[in-house]
Amino acid sequence: EPEVTQTPSHQVTQMGQEVILRCVPISNHLYFYWYRQILGQKVEFLVSFYNNEISEKSEIFDDQFSVERPDGSNFTLKIRSTKLEDSAMYFCASTAQGRGNTIYFGEGSWLTVV
Amino acid sequence: GENVEQHPSTLSVQEGDSAVIKCTYSDSASNYFPWYKQELGKRPQLIIDIRSNVGEKKDQRIAVTLNKTAKHFSLHITETQPEDSAVYFCAAEDVVTGGGNKLTFGTGTQLKVEL
Repeated sequence: EPEVTQTPSHQVTQMGQEVILRCVPISNHLYFYWYRQILGQKVEFLVSFYNNEISEKSEIFDDQFSVERPDGSNFTLKIRSTKLEDSAMYFCASTAQGRGNTIYFGEGSWLTVV
Repeated sequence: GENVEQHPSTLSVQEGDSAVIKCTYSDSASNYFPWYKQELGKRPQLIIDIRSNVGEKKDQRIAVTLNKTAKHFSLHITETQPEDSAVYFCAAEDVVTGGGNKLTFGTGTQLKVEL
């Protein structure tokens, strides 16, 4: 079964540094997402991306965050000037179409900011 | 936006018993309600979902019911087994103008199945 893949699985970074998390969505999917989960808490929506632009973003997704699809397969989340509270598991996801479609999550990238 | 509440936060059952987890949502326009099982350090795994055109859906030992009038939906696990122990999240799809599948998750239920 096709899967969403993410790299790295775990990254430790110094506060104030920039981090790029990478994802390869399922190949024929059209919508891509980033969610995050702080340890012990619920999964929270960050952003959705369609047709090479952001289609929806949450209040969490401020100017510190950006997303990009640099080529035909990768989808990246960049976090500028990381803060301690950015420590979380970041899940990439994709859907074949939009609303009502099954969302497929990647294994996650665990980010630790020290 | 959508708000999803989930109860209980922890649930302990004996092996073979049934477990029920309940969620409520706020946006009457929501039409898609998935349930996820998450083991420690792993991704959420879809176990069952329901759309608003049906009131109940069953897949072997797992069933989900939806009451659109009351805006609540429930997960039922029968004949629980130790491997069912995990955190379970309900979610509701937000209605967003930009398209895409934006899910609002509940706060999770830690299910423990004891021998």
